[in-house]
Amino acid sequence: ETGVTQTPRHLVMGMTNKKSLKCEQHLGHNAMYWYKQSAKKPLELMFVYNFKEQTENNSVPSRFSPECPNSSHLFLHLHTLQPEDSALYLCASSQEGSSGGVNEQFFGPGTRLTVL
Amino acid sequence: GQNIDQPTEMTATEGAIVQINCTYQTSGFNGLFWYQQHAGEAPTFLSYNVLDGLEEKGRFSSFLSRSKGYSYLLLKELQMKDSASYLCASLDSNYQLIWGAGTKLIIKP
Repeated sequence: ETGVTQTPRHLVMGMTNKKSLKCEQHLGHNAMYWYKQSAKKPLELMFVYNFKEQTENNSVPSRFSPECPNSSHLFLHLHTLQPEDSALYLCASSQEGSSGGVNEQFFGPGTRLTVL
Repeated sequence: GQNIDQPTEMTATEGAIVQINCTYQTSGFNGLFWYQQHAGEAPTFLSYNVLDGLEEKGRFSSFLSRSKGYSYLLLKELQMKDSASYLCASLDSNYQLIWGAGTKLIIKP
């Protein structure tokens, strides 16, 4: 496997279900991100992990719960979602320097989530 | 507030040139990214500008004017495979990317 992989690619779930999205990066990066992409809207940054520590949580509802067990893996646990949560969920990774710096983010193909 | 504006959709002809504009208003500025995203696929990095001027990379070029809060992506010799969405994103003072909604580019034969 190369780059950033995400599973599953498609997910349909009811509002009472619990599911998890998985992301794995094979690039040796130290930062990982979860984004939500809805049709005709800008990418919304949800969570950022830098060196396995969560550094950003953009007022995301608690029904979304991230987990980063190591620098290569990132999960998004889903519980009691709403229909408006239906979207494409993208994972990305980058190599961040200790002083900030600028490096492009590499994206996975996304999980297309539909909440019924 | 922070805001990125780019056209929702553009149409161009195969072999022609198209310019996709982006204006940004962010708290601080540490550069401007362009990404390409084909339908159902991951966004992929195209360019990064932090200094004023034009950066050329093959058929694609990106321009930045910091004083005007303006950037454009120029695509030359358009090919059918260039049909995609093009995302503009500004890096703010906290090194957080602020994204535009994307411009869907339709290439016609």
